[in-house]
Amino acid sequence: DQQVKQNSPSLSVQEGRISILNCDYTNSMFDYFLWYKKYPAEGPTFLISISSIKDKNEDGRFTVFLNKSAKHLSLHIVPSQPGDSAVYFCAASHFGNEKLTFGTGTRLTIIP
Amino acid sequence: EAGVTQFPSHSVIEKGQTVTLRCDPISGHDNLYWYRRVMGKEIKFLLHFVKESKQDESGMPNNRFLAERTGGTYSTLKVQPAELEDSGVYFCASSPGGGSTEAFFGQGTRLTVV
Repeated sequence: DQQVKQNSPSLSVQEGRISILNCDYTNSMFDYFLWYKKYPAEGPTFLISISSIKDKNEDGRFTVFLNKSAKHLSLHIVPSQPGDSAVYFCAASHFGNEKLTFGTGTRLTIIP
Repeated sequence: EAGVTQFPSHSVIEKGQTVTLRCDPISGHDNLYWYRRVMGKEIKFLLHFVKESKQDESGMPNNRFLAERTGGTYSTLKVQPAELEDSGVYFCASSPGGGSTEAFFGQGTRLTVV
């Protein structure tokens, strides 16, 4: 029973264009969402997060959007750069329980 | 400041053997987590320590897995006896606590059981 889903295993985007990574969740108890970025042979590194009381959070080139009614969030990267090529994991948690529930990841490839 | 470090980075063992993975969290972080990623699937929660106490071990697959956290510092995860399906990458993460959910991950230990 996968509570966090990333339905696109891979995505290729031209350098300079926008990358949009999507994530869906089923557990309505989740109230905090995070994106992690992972390079090969490294652990995931935190990228950006959003609380369920917001619908948008922005940090430089990265913006996360949350649609609670659709149980959907997305990560926008603008403009995309070659160094953004990595696997991106969506994760969720709920208040009082700090464990993270992850999706399966989306491999983003930025084409120069 | 040193990040989360894990030892070894890679381990190959035969089915039935014992393996112990070690994690050194970021100094001062009360929360320590173990996660596992099997064959390109999602990263799955195994357990959560707060200092030396097990807060949540709901993700531990079975009693062949034993985790400890000595004195609230480093942690070990022992698999005994190892089975083929235990192969995967084991990640350790730590966070300071106080409601902080952004966990810092180690580089992982790739365990291969043959």
